[in-house]
Amino acid sequence: DIQMTQSPASLSASLEEIVTITCQASQDIGNYLSWYQQKLGKSPQLLIHSATSLADGVPSRFSGSRSGTQYSLKINRLQVEDTGIYYCLQHYSAPTFGSGTKLEIK
Amino acid sequence: EVQLVESGGGLVQPGRSLKLSCAASGFTFSNYYMAWVRQAPKKGLEWVATISTSGSRTYYPDSVKGRFTISRDNAKSSLYLQMNSLKSEDTATYYCARRDWDGSFDYWGQGVMVTVSS
Repeated sequence: DIQMTQSPASLSASLEEIVTITCQASQDIGNYLSWYQQKLGKSPQLLIHSATSLADGVPSRFSGSRSGTQYSLKINRLQVEDTGIYYCLQHYSAPTFGSGTKLEIK
Repeated sequence: EVQLVESGGGLVQPGRSLKLSCAASGFTFSNYYMAWVRQAPKKGLEWVATISTSGSRTYYPDSVKGRFTISRDNAKSSLYLQMNSLKSEDTATYYCARRDWDGSFDYWGQGVMVTVSS
């Protein structure tokens, strides 16, 4: 199985700050990587698909990038509503999620 | 508007069975692979099953293989998850999700809680 190592586990940042969350794949997964946001008590929502493509309706302050087998989610100009838990997912083979990053606003 | 609405959750004893349903609307159900994803209390997300458009191909992780069966009825735009030989570690919120062309899960239901306990 492909393992996704996600970091950091938690993150506290200020409004308008830039934050980055990363996922390291245990092997090549190409661009078969997506990012999800889960707000408290809600179902996950797709943010980024195909590693770098913004999902419909997602604010442009979210972006995804790839460098080899390392994938990053960047949030520019952090807003209060960005609080939640973020997960990466590889779907190159049997889907596996990262362990999640809890993002809080200072 | 795409909607996925799960039902069928509840409290069940270990070793017993339960069947979840997911009613889909707002898109052509038969054109999409569908999946189930679960989340144990205060834990992360875990993929549980995927089914092809026709239902002829199904996929499971080892943790549920042989115990869970995913199925679909395209005429009814419905997805199902038959869960047998349930264990306490199956306690979770179960989400129905639509799989997009690249394999991402682009729409999710609100989730249904399953508690396995005596």
